[in-house]
Amino acid sequence: DTGVSQNPRHKITKRGQNVTFRCDPISEHNRLYWYRQTLGQGPEFLTYFQNEAQLEKSRLLSDRFSAERPKGSFSTLEIQRTEQGDSAMYLCASSPQRLSGNEQFFGPGTRLTVL
Amino acid sequence: AQSVTQLDSQVPVFEEAPVELRCNYSSSVSVYLFWYVQYPNQGLQLLLKYLSGSTLVKGINGFEAEFNKSQTSFHLRKPSVHISDTAEYFCAVSVYNFNKFYFGSGTKLNVKP
Repeated sequence: DTGVSQNPRHKITKRGQNVTFRCDPISEHNRLYWYRQTLGQGPEFLTYFQNEAQLEKSRLLSDRFSAERPKGSFSTLEIQRTEQGDSAMYLCASSPQRLSGNEQFFGPGTRLTVL
Repeated sequence: AQSVTQLDSQVPVFEEAPVELRCNYSSSVSVYLFWYVQYPNQGLQLLLKYLSGSTLVKGINGFEAEFNKSQTSFHLRKPSVHISDTAEYFCAVSVYNFNKFYFGSGTKLNVKP
């Protein structure tokens, strides 16, 4: 399967713990995106990478959140000192670098539950 | 700023009936428009997209959508739905030269036998 993969698929943690999620994009895609989806809502943009450079961050991404994409391949999203409000589905997407308007290919998501 | 409104949070419909899922957007600049489908416990899958050209676009699984610039709408339609179309549908816009998508809140399509 050559789609976007995300690990883990589910994560349950206690408030105050740190968690890290991984996303492996489609291999030839140099653009990578993170979104957060809460119950009853559509995905909300968090951050965007082109190769290893993080080019945009949403105001939703507080200082407890950090994302990296070393070497421009896989990406990690870390949440420090988790709060109950962080419970959500975290989606990763990738797209090739062509003209604007490209579709984004989404992974299955990581569902985070903070107790 | 851009925003997307999906007026119907849930749409129940009987199998083989036609369906329309509504999407309106707000933007001060030209946009690209997308419809994605999300099946339970799965990621989003692209149904169709409008970039330019013909305002009627056809997608996978028999879905189509029409871009109406004056109404700032991009409604999704299917002439005859199947049980397997039961899923959540998201409308999204992106702005030229920007990469992030703005999504609507989704419409749950429930196809009944």
